[in-house]
Amino acid sequence: QLQLQESGPGLVKPSETLSLTCTVSGGAISSSTYHWGWIRQPPGKGLEWIGSIYYSGSTYYNPSLKSRVTMSVDTSKKQFSLKLTSVTAADTAVYYCARVYCCDSSGPFDYWGQGTLVTVSS
Amino acid sequence: EIVLTQSPGTLSLSPGERATLSCRASQSVSSSYLAWYQQKPGQAPRLLIYGASSRATGIPDRFSGSGSGTDFTLTISRLEPEDFAVYCCQQYGSSPATFGQGTRLEIK
Repeated sequence: QLQLQESGPGLVKPSETLSLTCTVSGGAISSSTYHWGWIRQPPGKGLEWIGSIYYSGSTYYNPSLKSRVTMSVDTSKKQFSLKLTSVTAADTAVYYCARVYCCDSSGPFDYWGQGTLVTVSS
Repeated sequence: EIVLTQSPGTLSLSPGERATLSCRASQSVSSSYLAWYQQKPGQAPRLLIYGASSRATGIPDRFSGSGSGTDFTLTISRLEPEDFAVYCCQQYGSSPATFGQGTRLEIK
Protein backbone atom coordinates (compact mmCIF):
# COMPACT_ATOMS: atom_id res chain seq x y z
CA GLN A 1 0.00 0.00 0.00
CA LEU A 2 1.45 3.32 -1.08
CA GLN A 3 2.00 5.78 1.76
CA LEU A 4 3.11 9.40 1.75
CA GLN A 5 4.37 11.31 4.76
CA GLU A 6 5.06 15.03 5.01
CA SER A 7 7.79 16.32 7.30
CA GLY A 8 9.15 19.74 8.18
CA PRO A 9 8.85 22.61 10.65
CA GLY A 10 5.39 23.42 11.93
CA LEU A 11 6.26 27.04 12.60
CA VAL A 12 7.95 29.45 10.19
CA LYS A 13 8.64 33.13 10.73
CA PRO A 14 7.31 35.75 8.32
CA SER A 15 9.62 36.47 5.37
CA GLU A 16 11.45 33.17 5.86
CA THR A 17 11.34 30.01 3.74
CA LEU A 18 8.94 27.15 4.31
CA SER A 19 10.55 23.77 3.57
CA LEU A 20 8.70 20.47 3.49
CA THR A 21 9.61 16.96 2.38
CA CYS A 22 7.34 14.13 1.35
CA THR A 23 8.62 10.57 1.77
CA VAL A 24 7.02 7.87 -0.36
CA SER A 25 6.88 4.26 0.82
CA GLY A 26 5.25 1.13 -0.49
CA GLY A 27 5.78 2.09 -4.11
CA ALA A 28 8.12 3.64 -6.61
CA ILE A 29 8.55 7.40 -6.95
CA SER A 30 10.42 7.01 -10.22
CA SER A 31 7.58 5.38 -12.10
CA SER A 32 7.02 6.99 -15.49
CA THR A 33 3.29 6.84 -14.83
CA TYR A 34 2.93 9.31 -12.03
CA HIS A 35 3.47 12.91 -11.09
CA TRP A 36 3.69 14.04 -7.46
CA GLY A 37 2.07 17.15 -6.08
CA TRP A 38 1.69 19.58 -3.23
CA ILE A 39 -1.70 20.96 -2.20
CA ARG A 40 -2.51 23.23 0.73
CA GLN A 41 -5.61 24.11 2.72
CA PRO A 42 -5.80 27.21 4.93
CA PRO A 43 -7.76 26.61 8.13
CA GLY A 44 -11.47 26.43 7.35
CA LYS A 45 -10.94 27.07 3.64
CA GLY A 46 -10.70 25.18 0.38
CA LEU A 47 -7.86 23.36 -1.30
CA GLU A 48 -5.21 25.05 -3.45
CA TRP A 49 -2.88 23.25 -5.86
CA ILE A 50 0.68 24.49 -5.32
CA GLY A 51 2.52 22.48 -7.94
CA SER A 52 3.59 19.09 -9.23
CA ILE A 53 6.83 17.34 -10.12
CA TYR A 54 7.77 14.36 -12.27
CA TYR A 55 10.49 11.90 -11.27
CA SER A 56 12.71 13.38 -13.99
CA GLY A 57 12.54 16.75 -12.24
CA SER A 58 10.07 18.47 -14.56
CA THR A 59 7.98 20.90 -12.56
CA TYR A 60 4.59 22.54 -12.93
CA TYR A 61 3.65 25.41 -10.64
CA ASN A 62 0.53 27.39 -9.87
CA PRO A 63 1.16 30.80 -11.47
CA SER A 64 -0.10 32.54 -8.33
CA LEU A 65 2.80 31.03 -6.35
CA LYS A 66 5.35 30.42 -9.09
CA SER A 67 7.69 33.25 -8.12
CA ARG A 68 8.08 31.81 -4.60
CA VAL A 69 7.92 28.03 -5.15
CA THR A 70 10.63 25.49 -5.87
CA MET A 71 10.01 21.76 -5.99
CA SER A 72 12.64 19.04 -6.25
CA VAL A 73 12.82 15.26 -6.22
CA ASP A 74 15.37 12.78 -4.84
CA THR A 75 14.54 9.38 -6.31
CA SER A 76 17.26 7.60 -4.32
CA LYS A 77 15.57 8.65 -1.08
CA LYS A 78 12.05 8.35 -2.54
CA GLN A 79 11.38 11.93 -1.51
CA PHE A 80 10.15 15.11 -3.12
CA SER A 81 10.31 18.53 -1.56
CA LEU A 82 8.68 21.94 -1.49
CA LYS A 83 10.25 25.30 -0.76
CA LEU A 84 8.13 28.42 -0.45
CA THR A 85 10.00 31.66 0.07
CA SER A 86 9.00 34.98 1.68
CA VAL A 87 6.10 33.49 3.60
CA THR A 88 3.37 35.55 5.22
CA ALA A 89 0.44 34.72 7.49
CA ALA A 90 -1.56 33.96 4.32
CA ASP A 91 0.65 30.90 3.81
CA THR A 92 -0.56 29.33 7.06
CA ALA A 93 -2.22 26.09 6.01
CA VAL A 94 -2.25 22.33 6.16
CA TYR A 95 0.15 21.20 3.46
CA TYR A 96 -0.49 17.88 1.74
CA CYS A 97 1.67 15.87 -0.59
CA ALA A 98 -0.12 13.55 -2.98
CA ARG A 99 0.26 11.31 -6.02
CA VAL A 100 -1.30 12.24 -9.32
CA TYR A 101 -3.23 9.17 -10.46
CA CYS A 102 -3.38 9.82 -14.16
CA CYS A 103 -4.32 12.02 -17.01
CA ASP A 104 -2.43 15.25 -16.27
CA SER A 105 0.29 16.74 -14.11
CA SER A 106 -2.09 18.37 -11.64
CA GLY A 107 -4.74 15.81 -10.94
CA PRO A 108 -6.55 13.77 -9.95
CA PHE A 109 -4.81 12.92 -6.67
CA ASP A 110 -5.40 9.38 -5.42
CA TYR A 111 -2.93 8.92 -2.57
CA TRP A 112 -2.44 11.68 0.00
CA GLY A 113 -0.23 12.25 2.99
CA GLN A 114 -1.92 12.95 6.30
CA GLY A 115 -1.06 16.64 5.98
CA THR A 116 1.08 18.88 8.12
CA LEU A 117 0.02 22.20 9.59
CA VAL A 118 2.47 24.99 8.94
CA THR A 119 1.88 28.21 10.85
CA VAL A 120 3.56 31.45 9.81
CA SER A 121 4.07 33.59 12.88
CA SER A 122 6.81 35.48 14.64
CA GLU B 1 -8.10 30.38 -14.13
CA ILE B 2 -11.25 28.28 -13.96
CA VAL B 3 -13.44 29.04 -10.95
CA LEU B 4 -15.51 26.15 -9.64
CA THR B 5 -18.71 27.02 -7.80
CA GLN B 6 -20.33 24.29 -5.74
CA SER B 7 -23.94 24.22 -4.61
CA PRO B 8 -25.53 24.00 -2.24
CA GLY B 9 -23.11 25.15 0.42
CA THR B 10 -24.71 22.81 2.93
CA LEU B 11 -27.04 19.89 2.26
CA SER B 12 -29.05 18.36 5.11
CA LEU B 13 -30.33 14.86 4.44
CA SER B 14 -31.10 11.63 6.26
CA PRO B 15 -29.43 8.23 5.84
CA GLY B 16 -31.00 6.32 2.98
CA GLU B 17 -31.83 9.46 1.03
CA ARG B 18 -30.33 10.51 -2.30
CA ALA B 19 -27.82 13.35 -2.44
CA THR B 20 -27.18 15.49 -5.50
CA LEU B 21 -24.24 17.89 -5.42
CA SER B 22 -23.42 20.40 -8.14
CA CYS B 23 -20.14 21.81 -9.42
CA ARG B 24 -20.27 24.57 -12.03
CA ALA B 25 -17.18 25.81 -13.86
CA SER B 26 -16.61 29.36 -15.11
CA GLN B 27 -15.26 27.91 -18.38
CA SER B 28 -15.55 24.56 -20.09
CA VAL B 29 -13.46 21.87 -18.40
CA SER B 30 -11.14 20.34 -20.94
CA SER B 31 -11.56 16.60 -21.60
CA SER B 32 -14.00 16.37 -18.67
CA TYR B 33 -10.99 16.45 -16.38
CA LEU B 34 -13.16 16.87 -13.29
CA ALA B 35 -12.69 15.01 -10.01
CA TRP B 36 -14.67 14.73 -6.79
CA TYR B 37 -13.21 14.26 -3.33
CA GLN B 38 -14.64 13.48 0.08
CA GLN B 39 -13.02 15.06 3.12
CA LYS B 40 -13.75 14.35 6.77
CA PRO B 41 -12.53 16.55 9.66
CA GLY B 42 -8.83 16.20 10.30
CA GLN B 43 -8.33 13.90 7.30
CA ALA B 44 -6.87 14.24 3.84
CA PRO B 45 -9.26 14.30 0.88
CA ARG B 46 -10.26 10.95 -0.62
CA LEU B 47 -10.61 10.63 -4.38
CA LEU B 48 -14.09 9.43 -5.35
CA ILE B 49 -14.56 10.25 -9.04
CA TYR B 50 -12.20 11.29 -11.84
CA GLY B 51 -12.78 12.05 -15.49
CA ALA B 52 -16.23 13.31 -14.43
CA SER B 53 -17.72 9.82 -14.16
CA SER B 54 -15.07 7.18 -13.42
CA ARG B 55 -15.08 5.78 -9.90
CA ALA B 56 -11.72 5.56 -8.19
CA THR B 57 -10.48 2.24 -6.86
CA GLY B 58 -12.51 0.92 -3.94
CA ILE B 59 -15.28 3.51 -4.17
CA PRO B 60 -18.77 2.06 -3.64
CA ASP B 61 -21.14 2.16 -6.59
CA ARG B 62 -23.60 4.35 -4.69
CA PHE B 63 -21.26 7.21 -5.72
CA SER B 64 -21.64 8.36 -9.31
CA GLY B 65 -20.52 11.36 -11.29
CA SER B 66 -21.91 12.93 -14.42
CA GLY B 67 -21.69 16.04 -16.53
CA SER B 68 -19.52 17.75 -19.09
CA GLY B 69 -18.54 21.21 -20.22
CA THR B 70 -19.32 23.50 -17.32
CA ASP B 71 -21.87 21.51 -15.30
CA PHE B 72 -21.03 18.48 -13.23
CA THR B 73 -22.92 16.46 -10.62
CA LEU B 74 -21.98 14.03 -7.88
CA THR B 75 -24.81 11.72 -6.84
CA ILE B 76 -24.89 9.49 -3.78
CA SER B 77 -27.78 7.13 -4.36
CA ARG B 78 -28.48 6.01 -0.78
CA LEU B 79 -26.68 7.82 1.98
CA GLU B 80 -24.81 5.77 4.54
CA PRO B 81 -23.83 7.25 7.94
CA GLU B 82 -20.18 7.41 6.86
CA ASP B 83 -21.03 9.56 3.82
CA PHE B 84 -21.66 12.71 5.85
CA ALA B 85 -18.63 14.86 5.09
CA VAL B 86 -17.45 17.73 2.90
CA TYR B 87 -17.30 17.11 -0.86
CA CYS B 88 -15.24 19.18 -3.26
CA CYS B 89 -14.65 19.14 -6.97
CA GLN B 90 -11.39 19.76 -8.81
CA GLN B 91 -10.69 20.56 -12.45
CA TYR B 92 -7.31 19.52 -13.79
CA GLY B 93 -7.82 20.16 -17.48
CA SER B 94 -6.50 23.72 -17.46
CA SER B 95 -3.60 25.17 -15.54
CA PRO B 96 -3.75 26.02 -12.77
CA ALA B 97 -5.78 23.14 -11.39
CA THR B 98 -8.49 24.54 -9.15
CA PHE B 99 -10.84 23.26 -6.47
CA GLY B 100 -14.36 24.22 -5.54
CA GLN B 101 -15.10 25.60 -2.10
CA GLY B 102 -16.94 22.45 -1.03
CA THR B 103 -20.42 21.25 -0.11
CA ARG B 104 -21.02 20.15 3.46
CA LEU B 105 -23.31 17.13 3.64
CA GLU B 106 -24.81 16.95 7.11
CA ILE B 107 -27.22 14.64 8.88
CA LYS B 108 -30.74 16.02 9.06
